[in-house]
Amino acid sequence: AQSVSQHNHHVILSEAASLELGCNYSYGGTVNLFWYVQYPGQHLQLLLKYFSGDPLVKGIKGFEAEFIKSKFSFNLRKPSVQWSDTAEYFCAVNWNDYKLSFGAGTTVTVRA
Amino acid sequence: NAGVTQTPKFQVLKTGQSMTLQCAQDMNHEYMSWYRQDPGMGLRLIHYSVGAGITDQGEVPNGYNVSRSTTEDFPLRLLSAAPSQTSVYFCASSYSIGGRLYEQYFGPGTRLTVT
Repeated sequence: AQSVSQHNHHVILSEAASLELGCNYSYGGTVNLFWYVQYPGQHLQLLLKYFSGDPLVKGIKGFEAEFIKSKFSFNLRKPSVQWSDTAEYFCAVNWNDYKLSFGAGTTVTVRA
Repeated sequence: NAGVTQTPKFQVLKTGQSMTLQCAQDMNHEYMSWYRQDPGMGLRLIHYSVGAGITDQGEVPNGYNVSRSTTEDFPLRLLSAAPSQTSVYFCASSYSIGGRLYEQYFGPGTRLTVT
């Protein structure tokens, strides 16, 4: 079965620190890749997505992600986090099969 | 546009009871889906639909039924609730072409407790 793994369950940072969240997925051909964010008490919203083209994609709120095909990875980065980035982050993969598989999520806590 | 709406927001059921979680979208999306979110497990796909009259199973379909009679609505039925179905349920919709899913728009969720 295809799977998505996120390396960190909980990350604690200070404001202005850099953030990198890892995401790996199992091989299965062409993939469509997403990062979603869930702020406390809110529903999921899209941060960024990759379908094809430039493997470095930019999303909202200063986030970016890099698709590395050879490593089956799609890591999320932000150079300088803010307190408002405290949230749960989910990597999700679609293998062109009408299904979206999510990683377990990473809780990010940013301390002021 | 209201986007994706879900009702109710909260529900407590006793074991063995049945209920329907409602989901509606006004974006004319053909694709709709239901997920459950449990701590440490991310979101898991229960059922999905690629259009009116077409539904299919996701990763965790047991104990749930769906139907899709209109483009707008995609209700999720719990036939006989069990404590293992205590979870937060999210409905989502999106465009889809040939299996590829575009941005999923999520509803606000239903928090279900089964005692």
